[in-house]
Amino acid sequence: IAGITQAPTSQILAAGRRMTLRCTQDMRHNAMYWYRQDLGLGLRLIHYSNTAGTTGKGEVPDGYSVSRANTDDFPLTLASAVPSQTSVYFCASSEGTSNEQFFGPGTRLTVL
Amino acid sequence: GQNIDQPTEMTATEGAIVQINCTYQTSGFNGLFWYQQHAGEAPTFLSYNVLDGLEEKGRFSSFLSRSKGYSYLLLKELQMKDSASYLCAVMDSNYQLIWGAGTKLIIKP
Repeated sequence: IAGITQAPTSQILAAGRRMTLRCTQDMRHNAMYWYRQDLGLGLRLIHYSNTAGTTGKGEVPDGYSVSRANTDDFPLTLASAVPSQTSVYFCASSEGTSNEQFFGPGTRLTVL
Repeated sequence: GQNIDQPTEMTATEGAIVQINCTYQTSGFNGLFWYQQHAGEAPTFLSYNVLDGLEEKGRFSSFLSRSKGYSYLLLKELQMKDSASYLCAVMDSNYQLIWGAGTKLIIKP
């Protein structure tokens, strides 16, 4: 592994289903983030974690949950997917909260 | 509210110079970032400004004026591979990045 990986690359999901997007980094970064990117809008922060064991809510947290059991992994869960959650999801990490963020390749999610 | 404004789209010619502007209004300021994003790919870091002035890095330079809430990204000697979206982001008082919608730069031969 080099940098940040995300899985799956893309997914089509029926509304109401539960889905977990995976994110793993091997840079030993303390901070990790989940964003969604929609056409015409900037990246919007869903949840973040400044260090293992802690998480916080971003700008658009409703319908999503996260956990940070260790430094490397930061999964994002949609408990009951809705069509408005159709988006491209990016995971990112940074050494500290004020440092540049490194992004994973993204997960393209379609909820029907 | 917090707001980042940048032009939606710009067109420039290969070999030329282009300046992409970004204005911001945020609750607090802990630095301004520029990222490049090619279509279908992840954003990649270009530059960081926290003090007023110009930061130069090869063909790319970034300028910041905190008093005016203004930054620009200057790209020189444009190449076709510079065709991408350029994202301006400001780190607010909570150390969260507030992102602009991005400027799509089209390079013509």
